[in-house]
Amino acid sequence: QSVLTQPPSVSAAPGQRVAISCSGGSSNIENSYVSWYRQLPGTTPKLLIYETNKRPAGIPDRFSGSKSGTSATLGITGLQTGDEADYYCATWDSSLNAGVFGGGTKLTVL
Amino acid sequence: EVHLLESGGGLVQPGGSLTLSCAASGFTFSTSAMSWVRQAPGKGLEWVSGINGNAGTTYYAGSVKGRFTISRDNSKNKLYLQMNSLRGDDTAVYYCAPCSGGSFHRFDYWGQGTLVTVSS
Repeated sequence: QSVLTQPPSVSAAPGQRVAISCSGGSSNIENSYVSWYRQLPGTTPKLLIYETNKRPAGIPDRFSGSKSGTSATLGITGLQTGDEADYYCATWDSSLNAGVFGGGTKLTVL
Repeated sequence: EVHLLESGGGLVQPGGSLTLSCAASGFTFSTSAMSWVRQAPGKGLEWVSGINGNAGTTYYAGSVKGRFTISRDNSKNKLYLQMNSLRGDDTAVYYCAPCSGGSFHRFDYWGQGTLVTVSS
């Protein structure tokens, strides 16, 4: 059971927007940056967002990150079938003194 | 180009030990914090352990604290994970990753991983 809670699955139609939530607490999300990863089937994770709302080079602006209080959100616009993957949030927990990942969210593009 | 090559995985009996290695290149290893992240078959990502550049500070997930030890040899550009008292729920692919910006949850680069199977 992760300290970061993500919905197990979300779905949306091609071209639509989806938001994936990551709920934590005061010892993690509220006082730390958040990272987001995408993992396509059979591949290693890929960093999408770092420092809560920044995109690494090469990540399109269809992907965005935000945070409010103890929750963070990954937004994806203009959904494509190629976006079907598992998405994970991650941050540092100052009480555990450890990194933590969310349980992951499977995105289905209908 | 950043290159990470994990090795040392395999089949081990419950209660046994194993040491994983990660050979790193393409970045300044000695000043980079590093982490191990694992993924059990069909499951999500789990942060396992982290170490700062000079090996002065180490961090562990509660699930492995007291059983696993992270270390590094900056002269060889290598990261290690000594795993003792292995259990079935330690079965996973283990990835090493440099911690970008010193953040223990920001991983721009990943190796291909090494599979550890704990079973009798």
